[in-house]
Order: sequence, then structure tokens, then C-alpha cells
Amino acid sequence: AQSVSQHNHHVILSEAASLELGCNYSYGGTVNLFWYVQYPGQHLQLLLKYFSGDPLVKGIKGFEAEFIKSKFSFNLRKPSVQWSDTAEYFCAVNAHGFQKLVFGTGTRLLVSP
Amino acid sequence: NAGVTQTPKFQVLKTGQSMTLQCAQDMNHEYMSWYRQDPGMGLRLIHYSVGAGITDQGEVPNGYNVSRSTTEDFPLRLLSAAPSQTSVYFCASGTVSTDTQYFGPGTRLTVL
Repeated sequence: AQSVSQHNHHVILSEAASLELGCNYSYGGTVNLFWYVQYPGQHLQLLLKYFSGDPLVKGIKGFEAEFIKSKFSFNLRKPSVQWSDTAEYFCAVNAHGFQKLVFGTGTRLLVSP
Repeated sequence: NAGVTQTPKFQVLKTGQSMTLQCAQDMNHEYMSWYRQDPGMGLRLIHYSVGAGITDQGEVPNGYNVSRSTTEDFPLRLLSAAPSQTSVYFCASGTVSTDTQYFGPGTRLTVL
């Protein structure tokens, strides 16, 4: 069975600091990887996704993530965070050709102005 | 396109009551699913459907029923609500070809 681990449950940063959120998954086959963001009081929005090809993927709002197959990781990064990035971030995985998503437990990011 | 819509946005039930959470999408997506979100547990899959007339169980199906009579609609039924079902419920839809899901705004359910 697939599983996703997000090791940072809460992260507090000052504006302009760099961000890296960890995500590790376990699955023996080919996977699709996703990062979703949930702003306070809102629904989940897709930040970025990786299906194949270049392991460095760029998403919306300046976010990027790197897929490292040997480490089963898909870490999310942003060089300089803004107060508006305060949100909860979820890593998710599904197997190629299958829609069922498995989510991590989420990381709450608080950016102080 | 309205995308994925859910009603109601908020609901309070008493233990033992039944209700249906509505979900609709206008993107002609084959795949639809229901998740519940609980603090510290992320989102967990309740039920899903790969097309009209086809449904299957997810990770936490107990206490919930679903049906998919049309491509557009995927209602979630609570037959006898329990306090453990207090949660935020999200519906999502997607296409098999893209393997990507899009989420609705959610329903916050409280069971007293």
C-alpha cells in the first residue's frame, strides 16, 4: 500500500526566508506526485505535479519541487516566502493510471511579516 | 465552468440523523471521490467512482454510502450520523487521462 510522510508538521518562517518542506513516499511502482495548498478557510488547490520527465517541476506562485527517485522524495521549495504563503501544504501520491490519491498529514506554514 | 460544487457548506446534525452531502461537477470528469479531512490526519479517501454506475470503497468507508447515477453527480450519504463523523468533507473530480484531481470547497459537518 502507498503511504506519504510529511515530517514537518508546523513551520514558522519570516518573510523572505527560504522554504523547504519534506515529503517521502513509499510505493514500489511508478507514481505521480502532487503538492496541494489549502489557504485558511479555502479548499485544496493544486500547486504542482510530477508525472515524468524533468525531475524539477515548477508550479504556481514561485513554488518548485524536486523528485529524487532514489530517495523516494518530492520536496517542495520556494526561495523567498511571503506572508500570503501562510497555508497548509499537502503532499500526495497516486499510482500511474490510478486516480486514488494518498495524502500526507500536511504541514502548516506560518509566515510572519 | 463552475468546477466542483458542494452543498451545503455547513451542517450540524444530531447523532442518529441521516443526511446527504451533494457534489456536482460540470467538467465531464469520469472520476469522482470523497475525502474527509481531520486535524493531523490529512485527507482520507472515503469512496470513489470511475464512472456512472461504478463505485468502490476507499480507506474509511464505514458509515457512508455513495451512488453515481450520472457523470455529473456523486452524493455522499450518512445513514446514521455519529460524532466520529464530525469532519470537513471534500469532493474531487478528475480525468483518467490526466491523473489529476480538482477539489470542491468542502462541507463542514458537526455531529452532536
